[in-house]
Amino acid sequence: QMQLQESGPGLVKPSETLSLTCTVSGDSISVYSWNWIRQSPGKGLEWIGSISYGGKTDYHPSLKSRVAISVDTSSDQFSLRLTSVTAADTAVYYCARGRVGTTTYYIDSWGQGALVTVSS
Amino acid sequence: SYVLTQPPSVSVAPGQTARITCGGHDIGSYSVHWYQQRPGQAPVLVVYDDSDRPSGIPERFSGSNSGNTATLTISRVEAGDEADYYCQVWVSYSGLFYVFGPGTKVTVL
Repeated sequence: QMQLQESGPGLVKPSETLSLTCTVSGDSISVYSWNWIRQSPGKGLEWIGSISYGGKTDYHPSLKSRVAISVDTSSDQFSLRLTSVTAADTAVYYCARGRVGTTTYYIDSWGQGALVTVSS
Repeated sequence: SYVLTQPPSVSVAPGQTARITCGGHDIGSYSVHWYQQRPGQAPVLVVYDDSDRPSGIPERFSGSNSGNTATLTISRVEAGDEADYYCQVWVSYSGLFYVFGPGTKVTVL
């Protein structure tokens, strides 16, 4: 059974860079699309971006200037970097697998989530 | 950008039927996916492609989509169905791809 596990610092200072890694086990990272989604405390889900097995990336327009997602197929990991963070970036960050249905993508597996707090 | 709307909350008695709507312009021309998120847990896919269920999801969960409204229906509601429910579409214009609705809190009375 496929599992995703987020890892990284739980506390980041304002203006610094948030870095998280997702380790995929039980399946190959060389297929599907791999995503980062976040949820601010008490709020809804916000898609951050994705990377395909071919390395193509797509990002939420409001975050595009600060986000980078990369993949390391040799380690079955993909990573998120978010620069110049502020308190508004405090959230639970989920890594997730996207797959295509009849015509569009949906998320069929989620990590447990990692809480990242931005504070000095 | 494409915007989805959901009622903030729905209340339902055990054994009754809960209907959660997801509104969007001509949403019937998109495939809609639904997620359940229990408190403190990661979301779980309960319906994809408007009306299909992943393996392990009870038949009590069903979906429909037409016009400007998609609907997730939970039949014979149980206490364990109390959760937040999010709809989602995938759009490929204006650079935004996964769009989530704001979520609906289902309370079992």
